[in-house]
Amino acid sequence: QSVLTQPPSASGTPGQRVTISCSGSSSNIESNTVNWYQHLPGTAPKLLIYRNNQRPSGVPDRFSGSRSGTSASLAISGLQSEDEADYYCASWDDSLNNWVFGGGTKLTVL
Amino acid sequence: EVQLVESGGGLVQPGRSLRLSCIGSGFTFGDYAMSWVRQAPGKGLKWVGFIRSEPYGGTTEYAASVKGRFTISRDDSKSIAYLQMSSLKTEDTAVYYCVTGPYGMDVWGQGTTVTVSS
Repeated sequence: QSVLTQPPSASGTPGQRVTISCSGSSSNIESNTVNWYQHLPGTAPKLLIYRNNQRPSGVPDRFSGSRSGTSASLAISGLQSEDEADYYCASWDDSLNNWVFGGGTKLTVL
Repeated sequence: EVQLVESGGGLVQPGRSLRLSCIGSGFTFGDYAMSWVRQAPGKGLKWVGFIRSEPYGGTTEYAASVKGRFTISRDDSKSIAYLQMSSLKTEDTAVYYCVTGPYGMDVWGQGTTVTVSS
């Protein structure tokens, strides 16, 4: 059971916009910033979004993040086949004194 | 280029110990906390623990599932972080990643596989 809750799967067709939600609580998302990661099997996870909505250099602006209260979301516009991957949210939890992850969302590009 | 390289994984029997290493390059290693994150087969990412940088006390925090069994340490002079794992259980089988960066967990190593099995 993950502290942060994500839908297990999401899907879209090329060119579409999809969003992935991440639900937490007052001790994590509401109090601390959220990171989003893209993970392809057999590779190292890649930071997509940090501090809720900031993109590291090299990450396309098709990826965007937002946070409101105890929830956060990742939006991917202009969906491409190469976006098919697992996506994870993460945040620091003040009660646990731990980083916590969502359970991951498997994105399928149809 | 900022890089993290893990080593030390392998097959180990339940109850035994194993030490993982993580060597950093391309950045000032001592400036950042070093985390360990694992992924069990078919499962999601799980944070294992971290060690703060020396300016922040060099203290450690651990996930409840490993507290008392795992110990994280660092040698900034060698740009190495360690994950000492003891009393290993079959459920510790996973790919272990070391992670660091100015935003907490930005840069990830490629991971090293630990298999706990008799």
